[in-house]
Amino acid sequence: SAVISQKPSRDICQRGTSLTIQCQVDSQVTMMFWYRQQPGQSLTLIATANQGSEATYESGFVIDKFPISRPNLTFSTLTVSNMSPEDSSIYLCSVSGGTEAFFGQGTRLTVV
Amino acid sequence: DAKTTQPTSMDCAEGRAANLPCNHSTISGNEYVYWYRQIHSQGPQYIIHGLKNNETNEMASLIITEDRKSSTLILPHATLRDTAVYYCIVRANTGGFKTIFGAGTRLFVKA
Repeated sequence: SAVISQKPSRDICQRGTSLTIQCQVDSQVTMMFWYRQQPGQSLTLIATANQGSEATYESGFVIDKFPISRPNLTFSTLTVSNMSPEDSSIYLCSVSGGTEAFFGQGTRLTVV
Repeated sequence: DAKTTQPTSMDCAEGRAANLPCNHSTISGNEYVYWYRQIHSQGPQYIIHGLKNNETNEMASLIITEDRKSSTLILPHATLRDTAVYYCIVRANTGGFKTIFGAGTRLFVKA
């Protein structure tokens, strides 16, 4: 299994600012995934992050809005840039381990 | 797009079995059926997965039809703590597999 820690757990931010979310895993993993969960909705995959290469973004998500870093095999960051109230969501980090996927507890972001 | 269809919501009495159905008629031969659940304000939690045989673990049982076009997750003795959104997902089991979520089923376990 994998234990994932996300920071911060929640934040309230002003529109127009940026927030960087950190994801730390207790073991080395090849791929890390970032999800967004809007209020009352299911999880939507934002991007896949491989160590040493650029992240691969899903349709509807762009690097300028959600830049991702993956400096090593246990850590990744997701930045939500130039935030608007529509970015208010829970952002979750995930890794694949063996046959399962493991998820962090998420970062609850409120943009005011 | 998600490859599964689930009821939007279901109710279950505490102590009774909860049977959650899922349709996945376009499943490929190398794709597994996975079930996750998300309890309010938490990250999704793995429950069980299977390819074509029925599977059981300490949390649940998974029944997959012979043609693999549908499956049922069974929580044998539901408790109030099983109230959650349950996601049925089909996914290959090799490489850097992505987990794509559908809308899920919101299960309410009532006393």
